[in-house]
Amino acid sequence: QQQVKQSPQSLIVQKGGISIINCAYENTAFDYFPWYQQFPGKGPALLIAIRPDVSEKKEGRFTISFNKSAKQFSLHIMDSQPGDSATYFCAAPSGGGADGLTFGKGTHLIIQP
Amino acid sequence: NAGVTQTPKFRVLKTGQSMTLLCAQDMNHEYMYWYRQDPGMGLRLIHYSVGEGTTAKGEVPDGYNVSRLKKQNFLLGLESAAPSQTSVYFCASSPGQGAPTNEKLFFGSGTQLSVL
Repeated sequence: QQQVKQSPQSLIVQKGGISIINCAYENTAFDYFPWYQQFPGKGPALLIAIRPDVSEKKEGRFTISFNKSAKQFSLHIMDSQPGDSATYFCAAPSGGGADGLTFGKGTHLIIQP
Repeated sequence: NAGVTQTPKFRVLKTGQSMTLLCAQDMNHEYMYWYRQDPGMGLRLIHYSVGEGTTAKGEVPDGYNVSRLKKQNFLLGLESAAPSQTSVYFCASSPGQGAPTNEKLFFGSGTQLSVL
């Protein structure tokens, strides 16, 4: 069973700053590491994902950095905006089959104007 | 383009009552999931299904039952609700094995359940 540890639990960043959320996993057999974004009253939605054959993936202001040897991956939000205020979850495949994803406990991000 | 639809959105139950949560997806996805979300606990998998007529247990299955009689629907049942089942429940679906985006989960907007 995959274990995923996410930090910090909450984060306050000034508008225009860089938000960084970290995630550590245990099972090295899996090859897909996504980040989900959730706004209040909504379900989580896929934000960005990475496979371990690359060390970084960038989509707009969002970047995943992946460190395979340390079994860690992180989400960086550049030029953070108030609209980025949400809860962010990292995840990893639960068992490699059809049993979905194991999620971290989430980070509540607040971007102050 | 509805995606994943959950009904009801809110429900209040008394201890011992039963209810069924309905999830419907219109994307022809093979896999469907039920998660519960609790403060500080993230999302935890209750049950899942890899196709019509199949179900399997997830991380926290006790007190819940599921059925997938039709490919597009996945039902979550609480036979005798307990206060510990107060939570927000999310249904999700994914294309299934072999699909290029089989790992991507599409979530519904959730059902907030309170058990008194």
